Amino acid sequence: GQQVMQIPQYQHVQEGEDFTTYCNSSTTLSNIQWYKQRPGGHPVFLIQLVKSGEVKKQKRLTFQFGEAKKNSSLHITATQTTDVGTYFCAGGHAGKSTFGDGTTLTVKP
Amino acid sequence: DSGVTQTPKHLITATGQRVTLRCSPRSGDLSVYWYQQSLDQGLQFLIQYYNGEERAKGNILERFSAQQFPDLHSELNLSSLELGDSALYFCASSARGQGSEKLFFGSGTQLSVL
Repeated sequence: GQQVMQIPQYQHVQEGEDFTTYCNSSTTLSNIQWYKQRPGGHPVFLIQLVKSGEVKKQKRLTFQFGEAKKNSSLHITATQTTDVGTYFCAGGHAGKSTFGDGTTLTVKP
Repeated sequence: DSGVTQTPKHLITATGQRVTLRCSPRSGDLSVYWYQQSLDQGLQFLIQYYNGEERAKGNILERFSAQQFPDLHSELNLSSLELGDSALYFCASSARGQGSEKLFFGSGTQLSVL
């Protein structure tokens, strides 16, 4: 079946440093979604990418979808303490979405 | 607030017992999904319903069952509970039940099996 792998599992950064999480799929995806789960909270939808090579920005967050539509990344510039949480990608394929295991970001002030 | 309501928020029970978790989707959403999240783990997809019918099944144990009622709320039944069933159970909903739609998650039910 479809597998979606996310790396790294954990990332600890100093406030102000950049952060990137990567998502790789074993199959070509129709789309990819990103969610954020704050500590003690529930996953909240951030964005969806559909087109090959697509890049979208939300303030300090930059999302990319690979040319082959098998990988994606989320980059945060100049992290802030409000960025802490677990970031999940979810790859869409054959009408189903498969979540990666997430990357947990901690930010030291 | 996502608009998805889950009850109860916390549930503490003993091994061997049976519990029911309840979920009301966002107004207008026809599909409900159930996920299990163990400590420091990802989101394990259990099952999806669309307009009362089972649409997709994930890694759901035979001891677990679910249904979606005519008013679109859903219940997840967990029986013969084991210590390893302790986890956070999320319900999510989407509009048309297409697997790659945006999901709205509820706040979850924290299940502790002692």
